[in-house]
Amino acid sequence: GQNIDQPTEMTATEGAIVQINCTYQTSGFNGLFWYQQHAGEAPTFLSYNVLDGLEEKGRFSSFLSRSKGYSYLLLKELQMKDSASYLCAVFTGGGNKLTFGTGTQLKVEL
Amino acid sequence: EADIYQTPRYLVIGTGKKITLECSQTMGHDKMYWYQQDPGMELHLIHYSYGVNSTEKGDLSSESTVSRIRTEHFPLTLESARPSHTSQYLCASSETGNEQYFGPGTRLTVT
Repeated sequence: GQNIDQPTEMTATEGAIVQINCTYQTSGFNGLFWYQQHAGEAPTFLSYNVLDGLEEKGRFSSFLSRSKGYSYLLLKELQMKDSASYLCAVFTGGGNKLTFGTGTQLKVEL
Repeated sequence: EADIYQTPRYLVIGTGKKITLECSQTMGHDKMYWYQQDPGMELHLIHYSYGVNSTEKGDLSSESTVSRIRTEHFPLTLESARPSHTSQYLCASSETGNEQYFGPGTRLTVT
């Protein structure tokens, strides 16, 4: 089976940097996704890591270590609009399915 | 920008009614998915399809059924709605199976 863990909630200050961690235990790992989901809305794609290392995309970066079953999402220069739930999802190619974690609710304060 | 649509966006319906939630995409994606998400909870895959006439059940058992007669269309049906079916239903599609584009969701309430 699949097991994905991420913190339930985090709080950070506008303009700061925040790191959201995700650990996973899966079979047939074929990549890890981060999605952003605002309350009442659909998830939107942020990043995809399939190899170890850091992927940078503007204010957002995502890191993966397959040997440790670990990923993090780094958000820089936080803005109020970044307040949302951040979902870690593992892609298991054998079943062509995404398994989602429960999400980390990020609150950005002034 | 992804072009995937769901209707209705909101639905309140009585117990025992039959309902169909519509999902359409104009990207020509072969792979489509239905997820169920309760407020503040994770997304659970309930159905997926790899192409026309292909449907599979997901990780979470669901009393709903799906069909895939056309590539662009992946409707979900509940034959007899119950209060336990109250949830948000999200449809997604993908070209490769990994990056998935989500529709806006249908928020269903069964009274």
